[in-house]
Amino acid sequence: DTAVSQTPKYLVTQMGNDKSIKCEQNLGHDTMYWYKQDSKKFLKIMFSYNNKELIINETVPNRFSPKSPDKAHLNLHINSLELGDSAVYFCASSQDRGGQTDTQYFGPGTRLTVL
Amino acid sequence: AQSVTQPDIHITVSEGASLELRCNYSYGATPYLFWYVQSPGQGLQLLLKYFSGDTLVQGIKGFEAEFKRSQSSFNLRKPSVHWSDAAEYFCAVGGWGAQKLVFGQGTRLTINP
Repeated sequence: DTAVSQTPKYLVTQMGNDKSIKCEQNLGHDTMYWYKQDSKKFLKIMFSYNNKELIINETVPNRFSPKSPDKAHLNLHINSLELGDSAVYFCASSQDRGGQTDTQYFGPGTRLTVL
Repeated sequence: AQSVTQPDIHITVSEGASLELRCNYSYGATPYLFWYVQSPGQGLQLLLKYFSGDTLVQGIKGFEAEFKRSQSSFNLRKPSVHWSDAAEYFCAVGGWGAQKLVFGQGTRLTINP
């Protein structure tokens, strides 16, 4: 049973296109995250949702729009893709500990390549 | 704001040798500290974590880490590495009042046969 799953695993697309990445967790967690990992492996948080409410939005271009239809799902839609968006995108989830961070569980990642 | 520094970008050790990966953190309150491992093409897997209590923490795959508050460090150790330990290792810090984890830049571990 996969705890945090993402689709697709690989995404190759042209500049200017719009694409979505989906994430689902079956851990019963309240909080979900999107991270971007660049070519130097640096891992940076983009968004965080708690019970479908946006908690963190880390100076990400508004071409990126997260959507949480329910607390088990967090999708990432990207408009007008640019070369610099090429990266690996990770979804993660954690339990809500009421004001403190908890262990985050990561999905396998989606490698996005923009040509 | 919290921050993490992993001073070593790349470390090479021989199989069977001991390993220590360094992690220094900055956080204004009691920190929660994590080590994750990322194998090539994979997601991040939790190795171990420290929230409170015993400052020597045991994790999976034979890893351990020691929290030293006076040095703001949380170094990861393993007495004898295996070829399968070759991966990228990330230290992260969170805690009370922190809405997020902040990750270090990672240390790439290469194992020589």
